[in-house]
Amino acid sequence: AQSVTQLDSQVPVFEEAPVELRCNYSSSVSVYLFWYVQYPNQGLQLLLKYLSGSTLVKGINGFEAEFNKSQTSFHLRKPSVHISDTAEYFCAVSVGTGNQFYFGTGTSLTVIP
Amino acid sequence: DGGITQSPKYLFRKEGQNVTLSCEQNLNHDAMYWYRQDPGQGLRLIYYSQIVNDFQKGDIAEGYSVSREKKESFPLTVTSAQKNPTAFYLCAAGGAGAYEQYFGPGTRLTVT
Repeated sequence: AQSVTQLDSQVPVFEEAPVELRCNYSSSVSVYLFWYVQYPNQGLQLLLKYLSGSTLVKGINGFEAEFNKSQTSFHLRKPSVHISDTAEYFCAVSVGTGNQFYFGTGTSLTVIP
Repeated sequence: DGGITQSPKYLFRKEGQNVTLSCEQNLNHDAMYWYRQDPGQGLRLIYYSQIVNDFQKGDIAEGYSVSREKKESFPLTVTSAQKNPTAFYLCAAGGAGAYEQYFGPGTRLTVT
């Protein structure tokens, strides 16, 4: 079975500082990779996705992520965070064409003014 | 306005009662999903449906039931057999070729 590990449950960072949220997955076969953001009491919104091609993918709100096949990682980065980036972030993996997702346990990002 | 709607936003029930959560989509996606979210546990799959009149159990299906009579609708019933039903429930939709899943705003169920 597929597993997704988000190594940090909570990440505090000062406003305008860079941030990296880490994600590792277990599968060695072809995967599709996603990052979602969730604001309090809301659903999940897609930040970015990796399907194929360039390993560096750019998403909304200035976020980007890099797919590293050898390390089975898909870390999310932003060079300068804003207060509005405070939210829960989920990494997800889909294997094959079944469209079934496997989610990490989430990372709570808190941006400190 | 396209998307996924879930109603109600907040739901309160007494222990021992069944309750049905609504999920409707107008994205024309074939597949629909129900997840449960608890603090610190991420999202856990309850049921999913790839096509009308067919659905499969996810990782935590016990105490839940679903139906898929229409492509647009995938209601979830939380039965009295679910031992710890208080949680945030999320519905999602996706389709072949779409890859990503699209989520509704969620329903927070509180059972006392």
